[in-house]
Amino acid sequence: DIVMTQSPDSLAVSLGERATINCKSSQTVLYSFNNKNYLAWYQQKPGQPPKLLIYWASTRESGVPERFSGSGSGTDFTLTISSLQAEDVAVYYCHQYYSTPPTFGGGTKVEIK
Amino acid sequence: QVQLQQSGPGLVKPSQTLSLTCAISGDSVSSNSVAWNWIRQSPSRGLEWLGRTYYRSKWYKDYAESVKSRITINPDTSKNQFSLQLNSVTPEDTAIYFCVRVPELDGSWAPIDCWGQGTLVTVSS
Repeated sequence: DIVMTQSPDSLAVSLGERATINCKSSQTVLYSFNNKNYLAWYQQKPGQPPKLLIYWASTRESGVPERFSGSGSGTDFTLTISSLQAEDVAVYYCHQYYSTPPTFGGGTKVEIK
Repeated sequence: QVQLQQSGPGLVKPSQTLSLTCAISGDSVSSNSVAWNWIRQSPSRGLEWLGRTYYRSKWYKDYAESVKSRITINPDTSKNQFSLQLNSVTPEDTAIYFCVRVPELDGSWAPIDCWGQGTLVTVSS
């Protein structure tokens, strides 16, 4: 199984400041035949299922604000919130769908400083 | 717009069977371009994929090794839904269970694009 390791476990950021979350996979999630990284980011708020933010490592889902961006390739990935808003308080998860079983990171809790 | 509506008991006794159903609207359980999955979430195990079923001229099922001996996922074409059965449950199976849809693109799986509302299942006597 591919192990997904997120860091930090939690972070507190001032409103309007940048938040950066890292995700490392135990093996590559980049398919060479199509040059796509099979890596997604989800946002989860209390009492709700996760919501898809980013897929193919850097493609923003329709309706997701531009302040959310994803980057990275191979085994190292980053989710950046460029200017934190109050509604961004949530837990964020990375997720690999490169191989079965699909696996998730342990989550990063983002709070307001 | 695809919607998944979960139903089933929130309390199951140890050693008994956990049973949940996921009703699909806006898509078909027999679609040949998606898979129907179950995922659970708990503080101790995080988000954990349990298994899936999908139709490609015949029905396929894949299960996580951790629950393979205890799990069954079945489609129900007459009701356009799919179900989860987990046998011989213990308190470690206490979790929020989600049904989800995963599209298939160009011969490989895409990310989860639709979630059920989640069902908290507690295993306790």
